[in-house]
Amino acid sequence: AQSVAQPEDQVNVAEGNPLTVKCTYSVSGNPYLFWYVQYPNRGLQFLLKYITGDNLVKGSYGFEAEFNKSQTSFHLKKPSALVSDSALYFCAVRDKAAGNKLTFGGGTRVLVKP
Amino acid sequence: DTGVSQNPRHKITKRGQNVTFRCDPISEHNRLYWYRQTLGQGPEFLTYFQNEAQLEKSRLLSDRFSAERPKGSFSTLEIQRTEQGDSAMYLCASSLHRQGASDTQYFGPGTRLTVL
Repeated sequence: AQSVAQPEDQVNVAEGNPLTVKCTYSVSGNPYLFWYVQYPNRGLQFLLKYITGDNLVKGSYGFEAEFNKSQTSFHLKKPSALVSDSALYFCAVRDKAAGNKLTFGGGTRVLVKP
Repeated sequence: DTGVSQNPRHKITKRGQNVTFRCDPISEHNRLYWYRQTLGQGPEFLTYFQNEAQLEKSRLLSDRFSAERPKGSFSTLEIQRTEQGDSAMYLCASSLHRQGASDTQYFGPGTRLTVL
């Protein structure tokens, strides 16, 4: 079975400071890893994904994530947070050998204060 | 590319009634997924189609739930004899699957169901 853990329910950061949202995963095979963002009353918006290759993945809106196989982590980062980054962030995993469904973490609410 | 659309956006119904939701995927996307999201939780997989074939169903999808994608384009999700526990956001996603590649799922805005 595959699972995702987002250990922080909420992350508070001042505008202009670095932002990190943590994610760890568990799969029996090799993972595909994804980050999505959800704004109020809207669906999930794709940010980035890791498939294979370079462990540092760059995505939309200045976000990036680092795949760490030994720590089974895929933390989302942004060097300088904006107030508009305030939203709900979801990490998701798909086991390459176990079907096509995404398994999501519980989400982390990011609050960027001016 | 107009994105994934879902209708209605909101549905309020009384317990025991049947409801049907519609999802229109991004054109030319051959895979379509349904997820359910309850307040404070991440989305949970319900089922997915490749073209018109339903290839996987979650154990969450009880006998009261049925999904179709009759022509391989739009999909409907029907819930019969709704219960208060069915209250949730129902999300649809679509992707373009090519052999040997990993497809990305793009989500619609969701249909929020409230069962009174």
